[in-house]
Amino acid sequence: NAGVMQNPRHLVRRRGQEARLRCSPMKGHSHVYWYRQLPEEGLKFMVYLQKENIIDESGMPKERFSAEFPKEGPSILRIQQVVRGDSAAYFCASSPWAAYEQYFGPGTRLTVT
Amino acid sequence: GIQVEQSPPDLILQEGANSTLRCNFSDSVNNLQWFHQNPWGQLINLFYIPSGTKQNGRLSATTVATERYSLLYISSSQTTDSGVYFCAVRGAQKLVFGQGTRLTINP
Repeated sequence: NAGVMQNPRHLVRRRGQEARLRCSPMKGHSHVYWYRQLPEEGLKFMVYLQKENIIDESGMPKERFSAEFPKEGPSILRIQQVVRGDSAAYFCASSPWAAYEQYFGPGTRLTVT
Repeated sequence: GIQVEQSPPDLILQEGANSTLRCNFSDSVNNLQWFHQNPWGQLINLFYIPSGTKQNGRLSATTVATERYSLLYISSSQTTDSGVYFCAVRGAQKLVFGQGTRLTINP
């Protein structure tokens, strides 16, 4: 059973460009969570999604950030008009149901130049 | 919201030593997980432990939910144990992470 997959593993964008981060949950998992880790800090929750629904986006910045988890395909975290402060590691996690253990992917390291 | 505090922030030990990492949380929680973030940045699940005690090889964990703390024990440390150890508790649907304990094991 493959683990949570994220791609790309590393992403470099210039200020003002768009970044698209992808997450494929573990097989049988329909709950996806995105977290951000700034350098030398712990992980901070961003958004929780189930198929086709955003359940909790209380950790998402109000502007430029969006997330989706379509019926088919991976979950996407989209950052428009990136700024240097968006440079971070973005982790995706999945679980088979809401109240259970979360399993993390390897992360996408975004660098904004 | 829930606050999670981990101690100590940094720990430097010689290979073969034992260590205890602590996680305090401010409110009742539905679950608690321990992770190891290795030097390559990968998060590895160690324990899912809302209460009680679990053991996995040289690692064990205990959560006392009524007193709002959890302990991670590492025995006979190896250099591959180096990295950052995170405790995370679940409030509502999301995990709230502590700031981590950075463990360095010297040969």
